Amino acid sequence: KQEVTQIPAALSVPEGENLVLNCSFTDSAIYNLQWFRQDPGKGLTSLLLIQSSQREQTSGRLNASLDKSSGRSTLYIAASQPGDSATYLCAVRGTGFQKLVFGTGTRLLVSP
Amino acid sequence: GAGVSQSPSNKVTEKGKDVELRCDPISGHTALYWYRQSLGQGLEFLIYFQGNSAPDKSGLPSDRFSAERTGGSVSTLTIQRTQQEDSAVYLCASSLAVGDEQFFGPGTRLTVL
Repeated sequence: KQEVTQIPAALSVPEGENLVLNCSFTDSAIYNLQWFRQDPGKGLTSLLLIQSSQREQTSGRLNASLDKSSGRSTLYIAASQPGDSATYLCAVRGTGFQKLVFGTGTRLLVSP
Repeated sequence: GAGVSQSPSNKVTEKGKDVELRCDPISGHTALYWYRQSLGQGLEFLIYFQGNSAPDKSGLPSDRFSAERTGGSVSTLTIQRTQQEDSAVYLCASSLAVGDEQFFGPGTRLTVL
């Protein structure tokens, strides 16, 4: 059974810092991995999707990497802003299965 | 274009009543997914549709839960004889094809009194 863990559970940083969020998964046979953000009381916003054959994806100030063999992904946020404050979730999709298995999330607070 | 929409946004019901939750996927998306987000349980998969078929119902917690999709578009999640432990946010997502990037709706917050 796939299990997804995110560390840290919560993170508080001052504006402008670069930061890294970690995601680990127990079964390396994945199809792809997706990073989301969730604002309080809202749904999920897709940030980045990395296919199993890819090593990283970039979108603006966000960069996600994938090391499938070690069961790890990181989300790098450059020059953080207060608007980045949210909960960040990673989710993996296994080969042959279409559901996403979610991590427990990292709650990020960026202070002005 | 419009994203995934869900209705109602909030639903309060009494224990034992039936509820229906609706999801309108992004136009043209063939795959549709239901998830549940509750305190202490995180986000868990319930069911997914490829067209109108549901190949994987493994996440439905009990036989009180059912879902259907008609015309390859709108989906309805029905919970019969609701219990307090059914209180959660029910999220719907769609993707162009199974395995593609999933886009989520705003969710329906269900409260069972």
